Amino acid sequence: EVQLLESGGGLAQPGGSLRLSCVGSGFTINNVGMSWVRQAPGKGLEWVSILLESGDRAYYADSVRGRFTFSRDSSKNTLFLQMNSLRAEDTAVYYCVRGQSSGGDSWGQGTLVTVST
Amino acid sequence: DVVLTQSPLSLPVTLGQPASISCKSSQSLAHSNGNTYLNWFHQRPGQSPRRLIYRVSNRDSGVPDRFSGSGSDTDFTLRISRVEAEDVGVYYCMEGTHWPYTFGQGTKLEIK
Repeated sequence: EVQLLESGGGLAQPGGSLRLSCVGSGFTINNVGMSWVRQAPGKGLEWVSILLESGDRAYYADSVRGRFTFSRDSSKNTLFLQMNSLRAEDTAVYYCVRGQSSGGDSWGQGTLVTVST
Repeated sequence: DVVLTQSPLSLPVTLGQPASISCKSSQSLAHSNGNTYLNWFHQRPGQSPRRLIYRVSNRDSGVPDRFSGSGSDTDFTLRISRVEAEDVGVYYCMEGTHWPYTFGQGTKLEIK
């Protein structure tokens, strides 16, 4: 069974940093493109970033480009989202998703990031 | 960015009756590789989104056959043939043809 387990969320101050992790099980992250999607409290969904199957290229939404970095550690079957220069508008539940263009067939349970003083 | 416009935004339905959600795109979602990356998701309160339909009309494993997707180019539809109580929640269309991928605003289905 495919599972994704996110961690690393919490409270950060504006301008601060957090690193989210997503451990995959039941599949190998090297063999598929992966994504991060977020949902602000009470709001809709925003596709934040994708990491190609090759692992050598990532794409970012305009709202996070230059501040967030998507990477992976294949030896640990783990993905990371490094989030720097955090803003209040980054407050959201962040979901790790297996897949990209076809929407992703597996989603994690999400981890809540709150940016506030 | 592609704008996806869903209608209606609120959908009260009687149990056992059909329901339909429209998703209109500001650009064609036909990819140069021949695929059309229009997908549908269902999200219950407090839960992660779950994909129901991918690439317009392909139902995910475990999704009841009362759910169907159709459409092409810029106009797409999700249909539920007979609504059941477990179908309540918010439905989103999502496009994966153009980066950044985008979602519709969501349609909230409730039981009358």
